[in-house]
Amino acid sequence: GNSVTQMEGPVTLSEEAFLTINCTYTATGYPSLFWYVQYPGEGLQLLLKATKADDKGSNKGFEATYRKETTSFHLEKGSVQVSDSAVYFCALSDQGGSEKLVFGKGTKLTVNP
Amino acid sequence: ETGVTQSPTHLIKTRGQQVTLRCSSQSGHNTVSWYQQALGQGPQFIFQYYREEENGRGNFPPRFSGLQFPNYSSELNVNALELDDSALYLCASSMTGSSNQPQHFGDGTRLSIL
Repeated sequence: GNSVTQMEGPVTLSEEAFLTINCTYTATGYPSLFWYVQYPGEGLQLLLKATKADDKGSNKGFEATYRKETTSFHLEKGSVQVSDSAVYFCALSDQGGSEKLVFGKGTKLTVNP
Repeated sequence: ETGVTQSPTHLIKTRGQQVTLRCSSQSGHNTVSWYQQALGQGPQFIFQYYREEENGRGNFPPRFSGLQFPNYSSELNVNALELDDSALYLCASSMTGSSNQPQHFGDGTRLSIL
């Protein structure tokens, strides 16, 4: 079945450092790919998405490119802030019609001032 | 625009009891999905409701059941609670009919089983 694998955390960075969180997927067909962010005590917020190969999703300085040849959707940000500290989840949509989301295990990011 | 709201925010139950969690979908959305998020894990899909009928189910036993109402709100019911049911339960809504419509999540209900 479909699955998502994220790099294990936690990841600790200093403010203004470059961020990469790796995500690879296994899927039949052509899934849509997402990054969600979860702040402490809250639900998930959609950060960005890409719906087809070579699409780049971007939001709030974060970017990820849908790479079909490497089945990857790595999250990047050029300069992180303390406020970016959260747990980040990579996910794909099941194209079987139910639109369920399949999530990775999450990567906790801590940014220190 | 009203977002997804869930109630209650926290709940404590004992093994063998039954629980009902509630979700109001975002304005304009007609589909509700439920997820279970164990501590330190990613959310796992439980099931989805569209037009008041179940529209897809994950690998959860029948004691997990749900309802969707005409106003698109939804309930998740869990019978015969087990310790492993302790988790954050997330509700997400979306608009079926719009391709690749992202799901919008509520803040969840934290369920603790003693």
